[in-house]
Amino acid sequence: DIVMTQSPDSLAVSLGERATINCKSSQSVLYSSNNKNNLAWYQQKPGQPPKLLIYWASTRESGVPDRFSGSGSGTDFTLTISSLQAEDVAVYYCQQYYTTPFMYTFGQGTKLEIK
Amino acid sequence: QVQLQESGPGLVKPSETLSLTCTVSGGSISTYYWNWIRQPAGKGLEWIGRIYTSGSTNYNPSLKSRVTMSVDTSRNQFSLKLSSVTAADTALYYCARDRFISAFDMWGQGTMVTVSS
Repeated sequence: DIVMTQSPDSLAVSLGERATINCKSSQSVLYSSNNKNNLAWYQQKPGQPPKLLIYWASTRESGVPDRFSGSGSGTDFTLTISSLQAEDVAVYYCQQYYTTPFMYTFGQGTKLEIK
Repeated sequence: QVQLQESGPGLVKPSETLSLTCTVSGGSISTYYWNWIRQPAGKGLEWIGRIYTSGSTNYNPSLKSRVTMSVDTSRNQFSLKLSSVTAADTALYYCARDRFISAFDMWGQGTMVTVSS
């Protein structure tokens, strides 16, 4: 089974500072047919469904503020919030898509708080 | 604006079958992959399965023996059946769309299902 491991499990960052969340996959999520890393990032606030922030590792979803960025390739990925805002307090999940066996798998989540 | 709405019983008895429907409004269900994802209270997300509008399905291998998904394009709905449920199936169940980006761009608000006698 493919395992997605996020680090840290929780994170406290001061307003205006940078927040970095890591995600490691047990297998490469680089999809040879389109040469894309099938890795996405979501933000989930209490009582709400997850919201897609980033897909294909670094493509920002429409309407997502540009302080959110994604990077990485193969098995190691990072979500960066360049300047933390109060509304960014949430749990963040990474998610991979793999074809053999076919699965979408989520990381365990990282809780982001204000320091 | 496309919206997804889950519906179904909030309480299911152990060993019975959980049945949920997701209604897609504001757009056609005829393209894209349509998914079910669940989240136990206070825990992470688990993908259950997906269906394409042709009826083609993929299921989570850990749930495959108990899952059936179907689609009704005339009603703009797709459905989930999960058989032989136990307390471990108690969760918030979401329906969600993958617009061929290997990620879920649209989500319903979720429906809570409790398995209890």
